[in-house]
Amino acid sequence: EPEVTQTPSHQVTQMGQEVILRCVPISNHLYFYWYRQILGQKVEFLVSFYNNEISEKSEIFDDQFSVERPDGSNFTLKIRSTKLEDSAMYFCASSEAAFRAFFGQGTRLTVV
Amino acid sequence: DQQVKQNSPSLSVQEGRISILNCDYTNSMFDYFLWYKKYPAEGPTFLISISSIKDKNEDGRFTVFLNKSAKHLSLHIVPSQPGDSAVYFCAAQPTQGGSEKLVFGKGTKLTVNP
Repeated sequence: EPEVTQTPSHQVTQMGQEVILRCVPISNHLYFYWYRQILGQKVEFLVSFYNNEISEKSEIFDDQFSVERPDGSNFTLKIRSTKLEDSAMYFCASSEAAFRAFFGQGTRLTVV
Repeated sequence: DQQVKQNSPSLSVQEGRISILNCDYTNSMFDYFLWYKKYPAEGPTFLISISSIKDKNEDGRFTVFLNKSAKHLSLHIVPSQPGDSAVYFCAAQPTQGGSEKLVFGKGTKLTVNP
């Protein structure tokens, strides 16, 4: 069964450093998303991406964040200058239409 | 701002019995609802969904009921199995508003005892 894959599974970074989280969505899907879950809290929407542009973003997704689809298969989330509060599980998701998203296994980001 | 609420953080049931997980929402714009299951160290796995034009959707052991007037939905698992033990998230989406964003509840941890 096709699945969304994310790398790395765990990333530790120094505060202030840039990180790039990578995702390979399901191949025939057109909508791509990033969500995050801070420990003990809800899964929160960050951004959606369709037709090579951001279609929606939350207030969390400020200028420190950016997304890119550099080629036909990868979808990346970049955090320019990480803060301690960016520590969370980051989930990539994709969907064929604008609903019923399928999630990857997540990347645990730890900012120290 | 809890637009989607799962008021029970945990639920414990015996194998073979019915599990009922509840979810309430406040935003009238939500018109598509989903349930996801999540095991530790994994991403949410899609289980079942329901559109607001329906009041019930069934898929094998899983049934979702939607009560629009009460802004309430529930997931029934019958019979429950130990492998169903996981955290269950309710999520809602305002598709008519053109939004692709899912709004999640905090989750209910289900434990099915053998």
